[in-house]
Formats: sequence, C-alpha cells, structure tokens
Amino acid sequence: NAGVTQTPKFRVLKTGQSMTLLCAQDMNHEYMYWYRQDPGMGLRLIHYSVGEGTTAKGEVPDGYNVSRLKKQNFLLGLESAAPSQTSVYFCASSPTGLAITGELFFGEGSRLTVL
Amino acid sequence: DQQVKQNSPSLSVQEGRISILNCDYTNSMFDYFLWYKKYPAEGPTFLISISSIKDKNEDGRFTVFLNKSAKHLSLHIVPSQPGDSAVYFCAASALGGTSYGKLTFGQGTILTVHP
Repeated sequence: NAGVTQTPKFRVLKTGQSMTLLCAQDMNHEYMYWYRQDPGMGLRLIHYSVGEGTTAKGEVPDGYNVSRLKKQNFLLGLESAAPSQTSVYFCASSPTGLAITGELFFGEGSRLTVL
Repeated sequence: DQQVKQNSPSLSVQEGRISILNCDYTNSMFDYFLWYKKYPAEGPTFLISISSIKDKNEDGRFTVFLNKSAKHLSLHIVPSQPGDSAVYFCAASALGGTSYGKLTFGQGTILTVHP
C-alpha cells in the first residue's frame, strides 16, 4: 500500500518563486494535515482539512495556501517563496480527527530550500 | 510558546540498557499523548499512545508513563536495541471539542543506542 505520498521529494526555489506540494493518500481518510519540521522546533501545523472542499489554518499558516478539491489530495502552495520557508514539509492523514487513537499517518517528507 | 517540550536534544544508551525519554506539557486541555519515531529521510511513524485517564501503557519493549499532576510523560524502552536509534517526538492532542485531531509536537530527542 502506498499510504501517504508526497511530491516532489526535493525542490530548490529562488526567493519570490511559487510552487505547489502535492499530498495524495489512498486510505480514504477524511482528515489531512500539512506540517513543517525545523531544527529545534519539532513539527508545526501549517494548515489542515477535515474533508473534501474544506481547509483551516493551523499554527503557522502565513505565506501558505492549501486546497482540498478531491478527498485523496491535499495541496500546499507557496505563492512567493521566502528563505524562512526553507524546511522539511510533512503531509499526514487520519481516518477522523477524533479517532480514538489520535494516530496520524505521515508521508516521507518534502525538503524545500529557498535561496 | 512551546506547549510540548522535550528538554533533552539527545540521549546515548548502551545496547540492552533502558532508554528513558522525557516530555513536559503546559496545556491542561491535552488529554491524549503520543510518541512518534522518525528515521532519517522518512516520515514519523506512530509508536505508542496514552489517554489521560491512564497513567501507564505498555506495548512490548515500549512503556509510556503519564503524570498528569506534573504534566509530564516519559517513554521507556527496555531493552534498547541499535535499531531503536532514531528521533523520538512527543505529541499531544485535545480529542474533545474542535481539536480535529491536531497534534502539538515537542522538539524531538535523538536517541543513539550503541552496540
């Protein structure tokens, strides 16, 4: 099973460029999340979605936009990349945000460098 | 302000001995706690969890202890194995209300188990 797949795995951008990270899950999960991981900061929630057509802001949403047009896909967009957005981005999904175990299933990550 | 803190950036243990990873939290609304394990170039994977109605949960070599009055939890690995070498993240969630399963992560602790 593929689980949660993120593309691309690596990307280098120049300041001001735009790009989109794609997350796809094949587990029919309702909830999807985008986190970023930075040294000494752990994982911080950027945006999340509780179902197709819905999105909401997380802890650090500034500079990012998201869309959930299809249940299986969750896109993270950077309209004008900044060096502060250099990070490793993780997508995750969950069958329901109020699942008893609270477990999230993560993708392998996308490393983004903004020069 | 970091609501979930892992104050030890790294821990080194001999194979066969016990590894103890610690985590503190400040938000009294958290009622579910999880530990995730992360290998380099991979996404975090769920390890073990505990509800606030319990003070201990065991799964094979892994045991999580929760001290609600101290807002502290710990992960014990006995016996430690070289394959346990990874980054361990503590995470917390408020399952009730409108949390939608969002997790708040600590900074992570790098565990190295020496043969």
